[in-house]
Amino acid sequence: ETGVTQTPRHLVMGMTNKKSLKCEQHLGHNAMYWYKQSAKKPLELMFVYNFKEQTENNSVPSRFSPECPNSSHLFLHLHTLQPEDSALYLCASSSGGRRNTEAFFGQGTRLTVV
Amino acid sequence: AQKVTQAQTEISVVEKEDVTLDCVYETRDTTYYLFWYKQPPSGELVFLIRRNSFDEQNEISGRYSWNFQKSTSSFNFTITASQVVDSAVYFCALSEESGGSYIPTFGRGTSLIVHP
Repeated sequence: ETGVTQTPRHLVMGMTNKKSLKCEQHLGHNAMYWYKQSAKKPLELMFVYNFKEQTENNSVPSRFSPECPNSSHLFLHLHTLQPEDSALYLCASSSGGRRNTEAFFGQGTRLTVV
Repeated sequence: AQKVTQAQTEISVVEKEDVTLDCVYETRDTTYYLFWYKQPPSGELVFLIRRNSFDEQNEISGRYSWNFQKSTSSFNFTITASQVVDSAVYFCALSEESGGSYIPTFGRGTSLIVHP
């Protein structure tokens, strides 16, 4: 148990659906991240929130919309996705700020777009 | 260009063999951090170790050991007497400062398969 919980663990959605991924951390961290892990590709950083402010958006398509209502919760809203968006979506958190510490990851949401 | 290179895509060994996973990184910063993570089939990335750029001391933790060499920009990971439970994908990561915070960049990972 790393303290980072992601729900759901598995999600199958059609291209016209709207769904949301949820991430919750109870580690007292201030930074939260979304990563995408596709087969045979490196982990891709999507978004970073530091003290609830988005500090990084790595040219992610607008069909992915993040939300960080507080330092403990992070959402990824999905709409009109494409089959190539099927991947493992990983949430992570760290203490943030200028002091570097390791990121702790959730177990991920396995997303399949049909 | 990749900042973190894990040239070994997949390694297959028999239980009790020693295995070394290679990691080469690229950075112009003098302050940076290096990490190793393990990703078992369950999907979660499990943190194994962090090293900062000022600490080249090698580290041993049980069957795991890490060799950090700034001269060759490498941070290699050795598992001694491998076990089936070591089967997983292992990721090396580099963290540099970006806009006041440090965000890890990951290598492509090395899949380790340990056969009984």
